[in-house]
Amino acid sequence: AQTVTQSQPEMSVQEAETVTLSCTYDTSESDYYLFWYKQPPSRQMILVIRQEAYKQQNATENRFSVNFQKAAKSFSLKISDSQLGDAAMYFCAYRSAGSSNSGYALNFGKGTSLLVTP
Amino acid sequence: KAGVTQTPRYLIKTRGQQVTLSCSPISGHRSVSWYQQTPGQGLQFLFEYFSETQRNKGNFPGRFSGRQFSNSRSEMNVSTLELGDSALYLCASSLDVGYAEQFFGPGTRLTVL
Repeated sequence: AQTVTQSQPEMSVQEAETVTLSCTYDTSESDYYLFWYKQPPSRQMILVIRQEAYKQQNATENRFSVNFQKAAKSFSLKISDSQLGDAAMYFCAYRSAGSSNSGYALNFGKGTSLLVTP
Repeated sequence: KAGVTQTPRYLIKTRGQQVTLSCSPISGHRSVSWYQQTPGQGLQFLFEYFSETQRNKGNFPGRFSGRQFSNSRSEMNVSTLELGDSALYLCASSLDVGYAEQFFGPGTRLTVL
């Protein structure tokens, strides 16, 4: 089974600064997807960014970018120009892209709580 | 386009009762997955449905069951509720069975007393 580890339970960043959230995963598969989800106090899970394992280029979505290191099984999220609205729990998730018979469940890490200070 | 909707949003039950939660996916989405979120265990996968068929099930006891209807709406049922079933239950929809992104609903907060 694939496991996802987020080693930082809490992180803090000042407004307008940059912060990086870490995620490592364990898998024997070669084809998979990685995601970062944001869960604000409203509890609504919001997809922030996704990365396909076969793509070498790191994904970017506006102020959010990832550093995907496939050999190291590392998938970090960088938030630039942090805003107060970025404060939330951030979850790293893994999903197999393989056989359709195995299903496509998301495996989540335990999350990192991001605090943004003015 | 409307997002994923879940009803009810909040629910209080007592031990031994049963409960049914409902999820309506985004229009046109045919795959629905359910997750349980608790402070201790985090986010855990419950079920995945596509075309009214359960394609995958997580490591939960048989008290947890679900189904999907022909309009892709899904329900999950928990029988003989236990205190440990108190959780946020999240539903996620996806365009198709192999589609990468899953979009989540607001969740149903279940409290078991």
